[in-house]
Amino acid sequence: KAGVTQTPRYLIKTRGQQVTLSCSPISGHRSVSWYQQTPGQGLQFLFEYFSETQRNKGNFPGRFSGRQFSNSRSEMNVSTLELGDSALYLCASSFRDGRNEQFFGPGTRLTVL
Amino acid sequence: AQSVSQHNHHVILSEAASLELGCNYSYGGTVNLFWYVQYPGQHLQLLLKYFSGDPLVKGIKGFEAEFIKSKFSFNLRKPSVQWSDTAEYFCAVGGNNDMRFGAGTRLTVKP
Repeated sequence: KAGVTQTPRYLIKTRGQQVTLSCSPISGHRSVSWYQQTPGQGLQFLFEYFSETQRNKGNFPGRFSGRQFSNSRSEMNVSTLELGDSALYLCASSFRDGRNEQFFGPGTRLTVL
Repeated sequence: AQSVSQHNHHVILSEAASLELGCNYSYGGTVNLFWYVQYPGQHLQLLLKYFSGDPLVKGIKGFEAEFIKSKFSFNLRKPSVQWSDTAEYFCAVGGNNDMRFGAGTRLTVKP
């Protein structure tokens, strides 16, 4: 089976812009979770989707949003970018739900200038 | 709210030394426990997991972890580290439809 894929791999944006990141889970996986990874902070949970429904959300401002499509592919959107949003954004999929073993993609490296 | 604490930010060891990385969590329900590893330039991958049963679990590459319920701990151990174990290690807790990670411990093994 193909692994989790994320596009694009790298992005450079300026403050105030918005960005959309895409994630394709492993075939058959219905749960998709998003994380923000920064040095020293580890992985911060953004949200989890299962069958197109957001079931849980981390402690991030409303500028961070996401959605999941019927084929389980997911997107996350960050509006009005700030310098502090520069990070590696990881997507992970799971067969059952977000509390079980997750398979990670390579991430999207977002740099905000 | 769930939280995960990893006690060491950076650990430096010589090859053949023993390793123990601490992990404590806070959560008021049934949890699944994990250790993930991120080798330089690679994806996060699962090292081992605990759902129930024997609290001593064995993972890949000679790693093991012990779940101590009374201490809310899930420490990672390896009797003898190798240079190839240089990586970042993350403890994670799966609870209410999500997974929360610790800040990570960077392990450097000197040859």
